[in-house]
Amino acid sequence: DAMVIQNPRYQVTQFGKPVTLSCSQTLNHNVMYWYQQKSSQAPKLLFHYYDKDFNNEADTPDNFQSRRPNTSFCFLDIRSPGLGDAAMYLCATSRGTGDGYTFGSGTRLTVV
Amino acid sequence: GEDVEQSLFLSVREGDSSVINCTYTDSSSTYLYWYKQEPGAGLQLLTYIFSNMDMKQDQRLTVLLNKKDKHLSLRIADTQTGDSAIYFCAERGSQGNLIFGKGTKLSVKP
Repeated sequence: DAMVIQNPRYQVTQFGKPVTLSCSQTLNHNVMYWYQQKSSQAPKLLFHYYDKDFNNEADTPDNFQSRRPNTSFCFLDIRSPGLGDAAMYLCATSRGTGDGYTFGSGTRLTVV
Repeated sequence: GEDVEQSLFLSVREGDSSVINCTYTDSSSTYLYWYKQEPGAGLQLLTYIFSNMDMKQDQRLTVLLNKKDKHLSLRIADTQTGDSAIYFCAERGSQGNLIFGKGTKLSVKP
């Protein structure tokens, strides 16, 4: 089945230790998104790629970066995780920016 | 700015109807969406409505859109315990990305 896969489902990292979350898709969609979702809050868009074009939201901290080496994969890098970065990180894809999203199951990040 | 508001909690009895409400700010939104999130999982698209429609029905789900008041609702008929989840309303923002509300946690009591 075509889908969006996020690995791992649960990630524990140490305060200040770089961590990378991964997302892959078999849908061949052009757009890939990273959302941050904290408890009882709305998912918040961090950035998205349209093909290789990177689009950063104005309020996304510099601590967060992303890479998209090819159509199928997109990575979220957190350079120096703080306690406030503990959240569910959701990856989504869409064919175009005006099309519906398909979400992965998310990676829950814990910072200790 | 673009914003989506929802009440945070709703509790119903099994077999009753659930109505989850949402207000949004961007009158130019072409599509409005309802997503469902079960514990520990990602978001699953439930249904959506195009902005030139007033109502859309899909099996047990009915979406009502009042463009004048920028109000969207999701009605779930014959609510089951398996419907317990968080329901997110979303509008499409001016940049094409989805803007979500904080989610309404639906609890279904047997």
